[in-house]
Amino acid sequence: QTVVTQEPSLTVSPGGTVTLTCASNSGAVTGDNYPNWFQQKPGQPPRPLIYSTSYTYSSTPARFSGSLFGGKAALTLSGAQPEDEADYYCLLSFGGPWVFGGGTKLTVL
Amino acid sequence: VQIQQWGAGLLKPSETLSLTCTVDDIRGLWGAYWGWIRQPPGRGLEWIGETIYGRGTAYSPSLRSRVTISLDTSKNQVFLKLTSVTPADTAVYYCARRPTGYGSWGQGTLVTVSS
Repeated sequence: QTVVTQEPSLTVSPGGTVTLTCASNSGAVTGDNYPNWFQQKPGQPPRPLIYSTSYTYSSTPARFSGSLFGGKAALTLSGAQPEDEADYYCLLSFGGPWVFGGGTKLTVL
Repeated sequence: VQIQQWGAGLLKPSETLSLTCTVDDIRGLWGAYWGWIRQPPGRGLEWIGETIYGRGTAYSPSLRSRVTISLDTSKNQVFLKLTSVTPADTAVYYCARRPTGYGSWGQGTLVTVSS
């Protein structure tokens, strides 16, 4: 069974930088996993931020970026704002099925 | 792309969950994968499966035996059926469109399974 792992929780100071990661128990995450990243606030649907590792949507704030690092997918937030406090989920493709990570609760404090 | 979804919100154990998703423009239905994702109360997201016109369907291994996702291009609609539901299937179910990434989502439908 494929398991995708994220940090359960992270804290960042306002204006600070934080990197969230997304790992797979089936090996290194690569571009062929087409990493997606989503932000979700309570009571709302997930908000797409990143697709195919590093591509952003027109609505994605410029302070969010995606990459691959150390065999993992990574979401970097540079210049955190109070409104960035939310749950963040990654999603990886495994050649057919996709699997979500367990999510990271990001606190801006 | 505007996505709307609907379906029965309260089911009894062993019944079949049926949800429908529609897009406002027929062009939105073509050339993109259509997926279903669910989220149990207070928990994370779970990918259920996806389909695309003319190219088949992929399902989560854990749900494959009970789930069917299909399209009706004449109605611009996407369907999710999940058989033999149990309380563990209680969740908000989302429909989402994936031309490249999952960039458009429905508002979600809460489905509760209870006797």
